[in-house]
Amino acid sequence: GAGVSQTPSNKVTEKGKYVELRCDPISGHTALYWYRQSLGQGPEFLIYFQGTGAADDSGLPNDRFFAVRPEGSVSTLKIQRTERGDSAVYLCASSLYRGHEQYFGPGTRLTVT
Amino acid sequence: SQQGEEDPQALSIQEGENATMNCSYKTSINNLQWYRQNSGRGLVHLILIRSNEREKHSGRLRVTLDTSKKSSSLLITASRAADTASYFCATDLGGSYIPTFGRGTSLIVHP
Repeated sequence: GAGVSQTPSNKVTEKGKYVELRCDPISGHTALYWYRQSLGQGPEFLIYFQGTGAADDSGLPNDRFFAVRPEGSVSTLKIQRTERGDSAVYLCASSLYRGHEQYFGPGTRLTVT
Repeated sequence: SQQGEEDPQALSIQEGENATMNCSYKTSINNLQWYRQNSGRGLVHLILIRSNEREKHSGRLRVTLDTSKKSSSLLITASRAADTASYFCATDLGGSYIPTFGRGTSLIVHP
């Protein structure tokens, strides 16, 4: 593919609802990262996949957050029982291998009302 | 926690001037990357410099790395209004290969 894509671009949901955010990485990239970014801040690391497995999920804030990458390509970030504090832009990035240049998607802006 | 911190937080210059941004970090790294972000969405990768490199160039961009001082600088020469953006450095904690970002430098280039 041409680049990393993320869907939806915007998501508005009510407090307590469940949401799924999707990331399509660049074809052939083995490493995939999720970040979230609040206004005026840098991206905050959430989780890193190498292939299908979550190699590091130390950035997930609590057990309401979960991510999968079942076939080593597309990844889905899942947030249960959303809270207003979850509102942010969720960014996905991929790289050929770990330690290589990361390429970011345009992000999903999540707003929890 | 944030590994890298950019300095200054904000920078305002005239078109044609050079812009220099600095990044300091705390622990050993494998590599350091600089990114640009416009309008709060979609970071664009600029340069990756590895811990055994001291300087890299790409067009009007020059990045230096001083591992003894745990710092890096990004120089944009002959700036243009289109360079207006936020600039972030991302460093990986030694051995982790997970880039972590600072709060960024907001650059405004006045035409």
